[in-house]
Amino acid sequence: TAGITQAPTSQILAAGRSMTLRCTQDMRHNAMYWYRQDLGLGLRLIHYSNTAGTTGKGEVPDGYSVSRANTDDFPLTLASAVPSQTSVYFCASSPGVVNTEAFFGQGTRLTVV
Amino acid sequence: QKEVEQDPGPLSVPEGAIVSLNCTYSNSAFQYFMWYRQYSRKGPELLMYTYSSGNKEDGRFTAQVDKSSKYISLFIRDSQPSDSATYLCAMIYPSGYSTLTFGKGTMLLVSP
Repeated sequence: TAGITQAPTSQILAAGRSMTLRCTQDMRHNAMYWYRQDLGLGLRLIHYSNTAGTTGKGEVPDGYSVSRANTDDFPLTLASAVPSQTSVYFCASSPGVVNTEAFFGQGTRLTVV
Repeated sequence: QKEVEQDPGPLSVPEGAIVSLNCTYSNSAFQYFMWYRQYSRKGPELLMYTYSSGNKEDGRFTAQVDKSSKYISLFIRDSQPSDSATYLCAMIYPSGYSTLTFGKGTMLLVSP
């Protein structure tokens, strides 16, 4: 079972350019999340989606947008990248209402130059 | 003050040692408590979770929750070099849809 697939694995992006980080899950989980992980700051929630068709803002949503057109896919878009968005991005999903078990992808390492 | 505090380490121990990893939290509404393990350049994976107070054991790992002190612990017995990773605590409210609140993680290094 693949679980959660993120693409690309890593990317160098010029400041001002846009980019979409892809996330697909095959577990039919209702909830999906995007986190960024930075040294000294830990995992911070960017956006989440409890079910297909709904999204919500997390702790650090500025500069990012998401959509949830179906259960499996949850892309994260940076409209105009800035160097402070250099980070490791993790997509996660969880099955239930009380989301005690989150499954994470392998991450996308993004460097904005 | 962050809702969840965790010492970043690194914590260095010899193989076979008993390891104690800890988190404190400020929000008494948290009811579920999780420990995730993250190897270098990998995504976090769930080790175990507990509901409310008490202990839970899984092999060499024991999770302990003390809600009165707002303190959770993960004990690793007979630590192995393969346990070298970053351990993140996480917690969640039980009400409706809620998201995980993570600690920053403690890096553990087990030397052979």
